[in-house]
Amino acid sequence: DAKTTQPPSMDCAEGRAANLPCNHSTISGNEYVYWYRQIHSQGPQYIIHGLKNNETNEMASLIITEDRKSSTLILPHATLRDTAVYYCIVRVVMDSSYKLIFGSGTRLLVRP
Amino acid sequence: DTEVTQTPKHLVMGMTNKKSLKCEQHMGHRAMYWYKQKAKKPPELMFVYSYEKLSINESVPSRFSPECPNSSLLNLHLHALQPEDSALYLCASSHRTGATLDEQYFGPGTRLTVT
Repeated sequence: DAKTTQPPSMDCAEGRAANLPCNHSTISGNEYVYWYRQIHSQGPQYIIHGLKNNETNEMASLIITEDRKSSTLILPHATLRDTAVYYCIVRVVMDSSYKLIFGSGTRLLVRP
Repeated sequence: DTEVTQTPKHLVMGMTNKKSLKCEQHMGHRAMYWYKQKAKKPPELMFVYSYEKLSINESVPSRFSPECPNSSLLNLHLHALQPEDSALYLCASSHRTGATLDEQYFGPGTRLTVT
């Protein structure tokens, strides 16, 4: 069962920030939030992950609310190549392994 | 080399055929995964291998049989599939399972059509 909910689609103008929301109200204390994206006909690509602190890397920023029930992925300056499906994911630990539970994804369209 | 390769890219098979999907990585990763992705849906986990041993089977039907002959190679053997098994099959690998910074690297997938 999916542990995250995302809007099915969003759009933004090229060069502007894209803010993609995700709700994960049932997340447990040791479960990380991951974001991946999938460009058409390719495998998913890792973007960023976090537990409770805000995170930033060269691709994006991740803002997690203090109660950890929601988060926002921020692409600071969206380009046409950022058009993709963005998945908000909860990582669940199982014995010696873990599994990524994908949400339904947000289809982001970056407009010229 | 941060690449996961999958062969073949496309596969069409009949319901009585036996075929195999192959996945390979040379990043020294010790965890490998099979996912199934139907059109316009998110990937769904099928199997996890950790140090060449099957650690997670998500109640996948026995017509799908995974195999991990060594740490670089992962196979998915297919037999007596149904048309509803048509999907994109994705392979992924990660350094090791359970590690905090353990991102998964995905291959491009094999698009399977069962006729």
